[in-house]
Amino acid sequence: ILNVEQSPQSLHVQEGDSTNFTCSFPSSNFYALHWYRWETAKSPEALFVMTLNGDEKKKGRISATLNTKEGYSYLYIKGSQPEDSATYLCAWVSNFGNEKLTFGTGTRLTIIP
Amino acid sequence: NAGVTQTPKFQVLKTGQSMTLQCAQDMNHNSMYWYRQDPGMGLRLIYYSASEGTTDKGEVPNGYNVSRLNKREFSLRLESAAPSQTSVYFCASRFRGRDGTQYFGPGTRLLVL
Repeated sequence: ILNVEQSPQSLHVQEGDSTNFTCSFPSSNFYALHWYRWETAKSPEALFVMTLNGDEKKKGRISATLNTKEGYSYLYIKGSQPEDSATYLCAWVSNFGNEKLTFGTGTRLTIIP
Repeated sequence: NAGVTQTPKFQVLKTGQSMTLQCAQDMNHNSMYWYRQDPGMGLRLIYYSASEGTTDKGEVPNGYNVSRLNKREFSLRLESAAPSQTSVYFCASRFRGRDGTQYFGPGTRLLVL
């Protein structure tokens, strides 16, 4: 069983504060790590796809880093806004076999106005 | 460009009834996926299709069948619905390639009584 774990499961952050959370994944046979943002009553939307160790991606106030050797990725949100409230999913892709994504269970972020 | 579409949006079934969930994408993607989402379980892969004419089991295939009708369409069938199949079902698609972004449909909420 290939485990992709995310922590914390849920998080409450004051508006304006910055926050981060973690995705842990198998470091062997790594090919790619995907991050998705999932708002309530909607479908997941892609944020980033990362493949290289040390990679850093940024979209507005959201950024992510990747460490493939130790098997973790961090997602950072700077200056949280109410619209950042969502569940953030990561998904790991192996470099062998089929190309399917293995998802973590997500970090549910709530921004307190 | 509609992206990934799913029908129906919501369905109530009685135990033992059958139904087919429809999914279509207009992005010329090779791969298509069916997931179910249950509280605390994240997204679990039911079946996927890497290309037209091929289908493979995911983590939780029991009780389901799929058909990749053509490149655009991928349907999920419940032959004899059970209460344990009450869930939200998401279809997704992406180009072949391990770093390809995956696009999700809006989901089908299924209640089995």
